[in-house]
Amino acid sequence: EVQLVESGGGLVQPGRSLRLSCAASGFTFDDYAMHWVRQAPGKGLEWVSGISWNSGSIGYADSVKGRFTISRDNAKNSLYLQMNSLRAEDTALYYCAKDMDCSGGSCYSGFDPWGQGTLVTVSS
Amino acid sequence: QSALTQPASVSGSPGQSITISCTGTSSDVGGYNYVSWYQQHPGKAPKLMIYEVSNRPSGVSNRFSGSKSGNTASLTISGLQAEDEADYYCSSYTSSSTFHVVFGGGTKLTVL
Repeated sequence: EVQLVESGGGLVQPGRSLRLSCAASGFTFDDYAMHWVRQAPGKGLEWVSGISWNSGSIGYADSVKGRFTISRDNAKNSLYLQMNSLRAEDTALYYCAKDMDCSGGSCYSGFDPWGQGTLVTVSS
Repeated sequence: QSALTQPASVSGSPGQSITISCTGTSSDVGGYNYVSWYQQHPGKAPKLMIYEVSNRPSGVSNRFSGSKSGNTASLTISGLQAEDEADYYCSSYTSSSTFHVVFGGGTKLTVL
């Protein structure tokens, strides 16, 4: 069974850092691009960042560029999101998602599956 | 990046058909056949319903179909059922910057 399990969320003060992890299983991890998508409470989906199979292509939403860093460790079947200089508006449920078919950064076949999400709350 | 434009809400009666639109630009929806649609029930993770404009993943009912014309993509649900009541999001690859995906604001479907 293809599965993604996020961890690392929690309550953090503004300006501090947090590192999210996503453990993948049930598929050949280094065959696919991976992404982070977030959803603020009661709001819609927002794409945060994506990384190609070999980390050669990376993208960020303007709202997080310069503060967040995506990375992956194919040997550990894991995806990461380092979040620095956190703001109240970063409060959200963060989902890890696998591109259904694409490995690189110049295509998008849809996100399937998604993890269950990890909640990040930025508050003093 | 600007979000894709979806109606905030749509509704229909059981058995009817509804269509949800998703309007973008030539840099996203109109420029690529990389449009996806997601269904999200309250408290659940999104589920992929349509990928690459009109393809259904395995296990998704054939009552769900997707299409595109110019800068506007559409999701049609035929034979509405109570369990179709959910939020629906469109998304597209965008050339606005390196390796970017953009979502629509979401549409709440109510089955009357």
